[in-house]
Amino acid sequence: NAGVTQTPKFRVLKTGQSMTLLCAQDMNHEYMYWYRQDPGMGLRLIHYSVGEGTTAKGEVPDGYNVSRLKKQNFLLGLESAAPSQTSVYFCATAKVGGSLNQPQHFGDGTRLSIL
Amino acid sequence: AQSVTQLDSHVSVSEGTPVLLRCNYSSSYSPSLFWYVQHPNKGLQLLLKYTSAATLVKGINGFEAEFKKSETSFHLTKPSAHMSDAAEYFCVVSPNNNDMRFGAGTRLTVKP
Repeated sequence: NAGVTQTPKFRVLKTGQSMTLLCAQDMNHEYMYWYRQDPGMGLRLIHYSVGEGTTAKGEVPDGYNVSRLKKQNFLLGLESAAPSQTSVYFCATAKVGGSLNQPQHFGDGTRLSIL
Repeated sequence: AQSVTQLDSHVSVSEGTPVLLRCNYSSSYSPSLFWYVQHPNKGLQLLLKYTSAATLVKGINGFEAEFKKSETSFHLTKPSAHMSDAAEYFCVVSPNNNDMRFGAGTRLTVKP
């Protein structure tokens, strides 16, 4: 049982290049999230998905796109990378919580540097 | 609107002494509150959560937190620190699964 798997773990890009980060989960969770973590700022939500085929914007969505074509995968795309997007990216998943909030399960992160 | 303030960016304790990591929140709703721990180069792991049941919440690894509505606080404590507790700790407030607001984090250092 792998839980939440992020690929790649590290990547260096040049400004203007594009790339896609993959998040895969084997827990059959409905909700999936992409966050970025920057020093002294905690985690900030980029985009999220409440189910297959649906996505929504989070707190800092500009410069990113996402897709959830399959329930187990959530892709984060950078169409034209900028140095400001240098960060550590985390994917998380959660069960449908009903009236109680369910905790999120996190991957180990993708460290992305934009030169 | 909901937000979280972690009052200390860095806390240093000696092994075997108590740990106190402070968190204050603001929320328009009755929130759920969480504490997560992050070890170097790892994702976040849930320590404990408060979801309007008992105000004293026990978590993993001997940690616990007390929800105090009158003080809008959710401080994390542990009676005796271990070297393995050295990590970054995040307090999180959430009215629902689609909106989780993270504090800036508190880095805990444990001295031998």
